[in-house]
Amino acid sequence: SQQGEEDPQALSIQEGENATMNCSYKTSINNLQWYRQNSGRGLVHLILIRSNEREKHSGRLRVTLDTSKKSSSLLITASRAADTASYFCATDGGPESNFGNEKLTFGTGTRLTIIP
Amino acid sequence: EAQVTQNPRYLITVTGKKLTVTCSQNMNHEYMSWYRQDPGLGLRQIYYSMNVEVTDKGDVPEGYKVSRKEKRNFPLILESPSPNQTSLYFCATKGGAGANVLTFGAGSRLTVL
Repeated sequence: SQQGEEDPQALSIQEGENATMNCSYKTSINNLQWYRQNSGRGLVHLILIRSNEREKHSGRLRVTLDTSKKSSSLLITASRAADTASYFCATDGGPESNFGNEKLTFGTGTRLTIIP
Repeated sequence: EAQVTQNPRYLITVTGKKLTVTCSQNMNHEYMSWYRQDPGLGLRQIYYSMNVEVTDKGDVPEGYKVSRKEKRNFPLILESPSPNQTSLYFCATKGGAGANVLTFGAGSRLTVL
């Protein structure tokens, strides 16, 4: 079953603009992660935010987490052509899950295109 | 360099012809997992392994087998492939300092005719 659902499914912006992607999930979590995938390649981890954190930064990436709304957002500032990729959120099972931290469930992804 | 190596990267086969996709990691991680990726469905977990000789089903295990005889290797076996197993397959591992962060292989694109 899909735990995370990204929104929008696809996003096209001009180079230099900011890109925002959202992720909603259904059950409680211990942490939420964002991954990037270049076309047909393996996923690469970007950032992890714990359930007791509300915001985290890494370079041009900013992630927020709202556990009351069961949602997260990924902001990429000053986008570059190299940011063109698909972005996925992934959640673990949470404290009530039999799997705890062991099982990561991925959403269907947001396809981001940066127009030069 | 930390690596997850999958082989083959591309394979076209026919229905019913047994095949194995190999996965090897050099990070000495205990946890390994297989995912398949299909358009509109995202990544779905097939099987995972918590350690040598310890494997368990993920969300879509039907039609697949795995084995974990040694820590570094986690092969995915399709005993009798069918066209609905045409997909992009990823092996992943996690452990160590980044305990909950997955490191993925480059993927294996499988087509079953």
